[in-house]
Amino acid sequence: NAGVTQTPKFQVLKTGQSMTLQCAQDMNHEYMSWYRQDPGMGLRLIHYSVGAGITDQGEVPNGYNVSRSTTEDFPLRLLSAAPSQTSVYFCASRTHGSYEQYFGPGTRLTVT
Amino acid sequence: GQNIDQPTEMTATEGAIVQINCTYQTSGFNGLFWYQQHAGEAPTFLSYNVLDGLEEKGRFSSFLSRSKGYSYLLLKELQMKDSASYLCAVRADSGGYQKVTFGIGTKLQVIP
Repeated sequence: NAGVTQTPKFQVLKTGQSMTLQCAQDMNHEYMSWYRQDPGMGLRLIHYSVGAGITDQGEVPNGYNVSRSTTEDFPLRLLSAAPSQTSVYFCASRTHGSYEQYFGPGTRLTVT
Repeated sequence: GQNIDQPTEMTATEGAIVQINCTYQTSGFNGLFWYQQHAGEAPTFLSYNVLDGLEEKGRFSSFLSRSKGYSYLLLKELQMKDSASYLCAVRADSGGYQKVTFGIGTKLQVIP
């Protein structure tokens, strides 16, 4: 199993550009989440999904969209990048009935 | 809301024992996680405590007191590879949704 994979590993965007961060898992996990991690702050939940076709907002959803068309994939879209979105983004998944989340390796995004 | 407090940094000697404390204030508490995160890497799950008491898993143990809003992670026989950040996270019921809130993490440096 590859576990949770994320692409790209690094990305630099200009203000106003849009892009999609990819996340995939091959463990057949129902739950998937996107977090951002900033210096001096804990991981913060952006969006999450409890299954294909079902998504909901987390703590800091503004400026981001998600969709979950398959169990495996949970892409995060930045609609119009802003410098405040400079961060490290982690995707995570877990199976129903377990509390252990598996995190992907992260995407380091810089918006100039 | 939820408030999680843990020390920012700690230093300990190889072979020694170190205790990393975490205090929290939250309503609807359901459980507490500890994650390990090496610099530049993804968090990895260490433990999840729901009931009061100590749970041991090899060199790592985690303790929870729900009445005191207090937990600690105990690392024994410290090794250089234990140098990492240790994240405390609280799971709580938030309007029917199980929200997980992360602390900022404790950066542990193990010295020879």
